[in-house]
Amino acid sequence: AQSVTQPDIHITVSEGASLELRCNYSYGATPYLFWYVQSPGQGLQLLLKYFSGDTLVQGIKGFEAEFKRSQSSFNLRKPSVHWSDAAEYFCAVGAEHGNKLVFGAGTILRVKS
Amino acid sequence: DAMVIQNPRYQVTQFGKPVTLSCSQTLNHNVMYWYQQKSSQAPKLLFHYYDKDFNNEADTPDNFQSRRPNTSFCFLDIRSPGLGDAAMYLCATSRDFRGQYFGAGTRLSVL
Repeated sequence: AQSVTQPDIHITVSEGASLELRCNYSYGATPYLFWYVQSPGQGLQLLLKYFSGDTLVQGIKGFEAEFKRSQSSFNLRKPSVHWSDAAEYFCAVGAEHGNKLVFGAGTILRVKS
Repeated sequence: DAMVIQNPRYQVTQFGKPVTLSCSQTLNHNVMYWYQQKSSQAPKLLFHYYDKDFNNEADTPDNFQSRRPNTSFCFLDIRSPGLGDAAMYLCATSRDFRGQYFGAGTRLSVL
């Protein structure tokens, strides 16, 4: 069965510092991978997605993610965090040809000034 | 802007009183989903429509129903809400499953 692990429940970084959120997945075939961000009381916004091709994916808001098949990972990165990036981040894998998303438990990002 | 719109943003209902949440989309996506999200948890898929085909998750309670009268609209009906159904309900759409786009959600409270 497909699964997604986000090992960090909470992460705190200083404004201007770099960020890496970890995501590991378990999926038998080539995965469709996604990162979403959710601000309190809001829906999920798609940051970026990987289907195939270049393993380094650029997304919105200055985020990028790298697919590493050998490590079953799809970590999200940002070189310089802004206070407005404070939110919850969900990694997801598309199962059954992508029609269902299996979400990780989420990582809450706090940004300190 | 093309988007997924959920109404209302906040809904209060009484225990056992039927409630309907609505979702509309201007993306012309063929797949529409309903998720339930409880506090500090990931979204949980309730069901989805692929065009007119309804696909229920095995563990979705019978209390939850859905209707999709046309491509643009999808409704979530909760026939007899219990206290445990208080949650955020998220609608999402996709074009042939290539990434899902979410609405802002409806926060349901059950009194």
